[in-house]
Amino acid sequence: AQRVTQPEKLLSVFKGAPVELKCNYSYSGSPELFWYVQYSRQRLQLLLRHISRESIKGFTADLNKGETSFHLKKPFAQEEDSAMYYCALRDTGNQFYFGTGTSLTVIP
Amino acid sequence: DADVTQTPRNRITKTGKRIMLECSQTKGHDRMYWYRQDPGLGLRLIYYSFDVKDINKGEISDGYSVSRQAQAKFSLSLESAIPNQTALYFCATSDFGTLDEQFFGPGTRLTVL
Repeated sequence: AQRVTQPEKLLSVFKGAPVELKCNYSYSGSPELFWYVQYSRQRLQLLLRHISRESIKGFTADLNKGETSFHLKKPFAQEEDSAMYYCALRDTGNQFYFGTGTSLTVIP
Repeated sequence: DADVTQTPRNRITKTGKRIMLECSQTKGHDRMYWYRQDPGLGLRLIYYSFDVKDINKGEISDGYSVSRQAQAKFSLSLESAIPNQTALYFCATSDFGTLDEQFFGPGTRLTVL
């Protein structure tokens, strides 16, 4: 069963515009949620995790248990934000589930 | 710098051949993972290991086996490769002390003809 859904494969926004990458999850327990990013020719790396409630590179993500969502947001997109973004869930058995990813392009 | 390395980086093989992909890490992490990435499917967990004596099946373990030879080494084997196993394979490590952030290797591109 798909535990993490990212409905947008591709997303394009103009520089300076707000951006939101959607992530919905399916899990009955208390998941831990993450956003990972892969920039061109770089390794997949952690962007942020919900438990830390942090803002990284201007990005934030709020866990909404009612809507089972963990959308990634940034108020003003920059060209360097162009990358592949993966939402991930870790269950209580310590298994990780990744979404299918969203490719973000920020248009100059 | 502490790192996660994978060998080989690229491999082309034929159906029925036995293949081993290797992962080594110098991060001192106790947890290691193997994923495969397919277009449109994202990353899927194959196997994971929390220490040398602890091996667990992931979401898609059929057709694969693993060996944790040491804390720093975690190998993935395809006993009899099939074309459906053509994919990009990633190794990752994590440590309970870092809130389980995963550190990924560069990937191995495997093609099974």
